[in-house]
Amino acid sequence: DIQMTQSPSSLSASVGDRVTITCRASQGISNSLAWYQQKPGKAPKLLLYAASRLESGVPSRFSGSGSGTDYTLTISSLQPEDFATYYCQQYYNTPRALTFGGGTKVEIK
Amino acid sequence: QVHLVQSGAEVKKPGASVKVSCKASGYTFTIYAMSWVRQAPGQRLEWMGWINGGKGNTEYSQKFQGRVTITRDTSASTAYMELRSLRSEDTAVYYCARDKYAEGSFDYWGQGTLVTVSS
Repeated sequence: DIQMTQSPSSLSASVGDRVTITCRASQGISNSLAWYQQKPGKAPKLLLYAASRLESGVPSRFSGSGSGTDYTLTISSLQPEDFATYYCQQYYNTPRALTFGGGTKVEIK
Repeated sequence: QVHLVQSGAEVKKPGASVKVSCKASGYTFTIYAMSWVRQAPGQRLEWMGWINGGKGNTEYSQKFQGRVTITRDTSASTAYMELRSLRSEDTAVYYCARDKYAEGSFDYWGQGTLVTVSS
C-alpha cells in the first residue's frame, strides 16, 4: 500500500494566520489526493480533491497544491471554525488500496 | 439534499459479526459507488472497501479481505457492511461515504456507527 505521511502532526496558530500542512506519499500519486477536515465527533468533510480542486461550498481560503509525491494544504487566513483535524488521502491505486495520512490537529494558540 | 443515515451503535463479543446499514437519499443510488471507512479511537481513517451502486461489484482492502462483505439493496437505496470474527481491535466508528467520481474521494459521509467489541 502507498503510505501517506503528514506533517506536522499538530500545530498551534492564531486567527488570521496562514497555515500550511504537508502530505508526502511513499510513491508518486499523480494528483490523486483529497483533503478532509474533521471536527470532534463528526464525520470528515471533503475540502479538496484532485490535489487542488475546491469542493463546492468550501471557502476559498482553502487551497491545495503539489505533484508527484509531495502535496500541501494551505489555509490563507485561519478562522475560528477552522480549528479541527485535517487528513490527506490518496486514491491512486488500482485495484483500490486507498490510504489516509495520520492527521494534523490545528489548535488555537 | 444528499443524506447518508447509518444504523445505530452496536456492542458485540469477540468472534461475533456485525452488520451496519447506510440508507442514502437525495440522489440516484445506482449512479455512485459507496465506500466504508473506519476510525479506531485516536487512529487515522482506514478504508475497508467499496461497492458499485449500480453493478454491485466490490473491492476490499487486503487487510479486511475474507472478513468483510459489502452489499447493497437498490430498492431501498441502502448499502451494508458486515464484518465477521470481530476482535477488540475492531472497536471503531464505521462510516459509509459516497464516492464523488468513482475515483476514491468522498463527498458525502454518514454520521458514523460506533461498534464496540468487548467480552
